[in-house]
Amino acid sequence: DIQMTQSPSSLSASVGDRVTITCRASQSINNYLNWYQQKPGKAPKLLIYTASSLQGEIPSRFSGSGSGTDFTLTVSSLQPEDFATYYCQQSYSTPYTFGQGTKLEIK
Amino acid sequence: QVQLVQSGAEVKKPGASVKVSCKASGYTFTSYGINWVRQAPGQGLEWMGWISAYNGDTKYAQKFQGRVTMTTDTSTSTAYMELRSLRFDDTAMYYCARRQMGVAGSNWFDPWGQGTLVTVSS
Repeated sequence: DIQMTQSPSSLSASVGDRVTITCRASQSINNYLNWYQQKPGKAPKLLIYTASSLQGEIPSRFSGSGSGTDFTLTVSSLQPEDFATYYCQQSYSTPYTFGQGTKLEIK
Repeated sequence: QVQLVQSGAEVKKPGASVKVSCKASGYTFTSYGINWVRQAPGQGLEWMGWISAYNGDTKYAQKFQGRVTMTTDTSTSTAYMELRSLRFDDTAMYYCARRQMGVAGSNWFDPWGQGTLVTVSS
């Protein structure tokens, strides 16, 4: 199985900050990497697919990059509604696996 | 709009089975697959498997092989996930999510159902 490792596991930041979350795969997954946002008590929501494609309704302050084994999710200017947990997920091979999550908290 | 609506919360005893439904609307059901993902309390996301709504083909995570069955009813645009021989550590929120395909086999999960809480308790 492909292991997905996110860093950091938690992050404190302020409104307006630029933040970056990293996801590393245990083997190359090309660009088969997706990012999801989950708020407490809610289902996950797709943010970015195939490493860098923004899902239609997602604000442009979110961006993704990477290929192979190393990927990043960047929020250019944090808004209050962005404080949530973020997960990366590989869709290169089954079983599809998720990172352990990064909890983004208000400083 | 595209929507997945799941069945309500369940409480089951160890050893029992549970069947969760996921009703799709707003798109052609048979043109997409459905993934099932679970999340134990306070934990991360775990993929269980997926089913093609086009032909019923399934792919299960090895961890659940022999204990899970995913099916679809195309007449009602509904997908089902049955988990048998329930254990205490099967207590979790269970989500369905549409399998969206891209080029060269890439795929992603969008949208997700609201989740169904399954509690295993004696």
